[in-house]
Amino acid sequence: DGGITQSPKYLFRKEGQNVTLSCEQNLNHDAMYWYRQDPGQGLRLIYYSQIVNDFQKGDIAEGYSVSREKKESFPLTVTSAQKNPTAFYLCASSPPNQPQHFGDGTRLSIL
Amino acid sequence: KQEVTQIPAALSVPEGENLVLNCSFTDSAIYNLQWFRQDPGKGLTSLLLIQSSQREQTSGRLNASLDKSSGRSTLYIAASQPGDSATYLCAVKRNGANNLFFGTGTRLTVIP
Repeated sequence: DGGITQSPKYLFRKEGQNVTLSCEQNLNHDAMYWYRQDPGQGLRLIYYSQIVNDFQKGDIAEGYSVSREKKESFPLTVTSAQKNPTAFYLCASSPPNQPQHFGDGTRLSIL
Repeated sequence: KQEVTQIPAALSVPEGENLVLNCSFTDSAIYNLQWFRQDPGKGLTSLLLIQSSQREQTSGRLNASLDKSSGRSTLYIAASQPGDSATYLCAVKRNGANNLFFGTGTRLTVIP
């Protein structure tokens, strides 16, 4: 089945630790996106990538980093600089100017 | 900056009722508007997409309308069912932008 796979489903971070969220797609989409969702709020864009080896900051990129070495993969690292990382993280992908398809999300919590 | 607002934040209706969810946006220079459904702890499922040149889109019991000049969209759900219970999000894509701007959602509960 074609789709977007996010892993893990639940993730816990200790103080001062970097953690990486995985996002893989087999839809052959060029563009990929990372969003953050907090309770009672809409999704906010963290980073997006239009093509391999290129990515741009979204509205809330501070404390996060990404890479796009392969078309299928767009991992997100939550660094220790992100002081309030507890949230639901959603990855999406899309062809150019087409609707975005979303994964099932990763819930990140602080230990 | 584009701001998207959804009212009400939560809505409960008895099964079988028709209902309308509202979405408003501040910048009318949009490329398209999309309605999504989100079940608890899950990702988003696209329901309907309306291009800026369109007035409405229909899929089954769902009908979405767009009035770009007034910055409004509505999602009409006919003959609601308990399985329609979820959070509904609208999102707009601005002209020349790659990302979506999301509203805060309306949490719908359909009571059997």
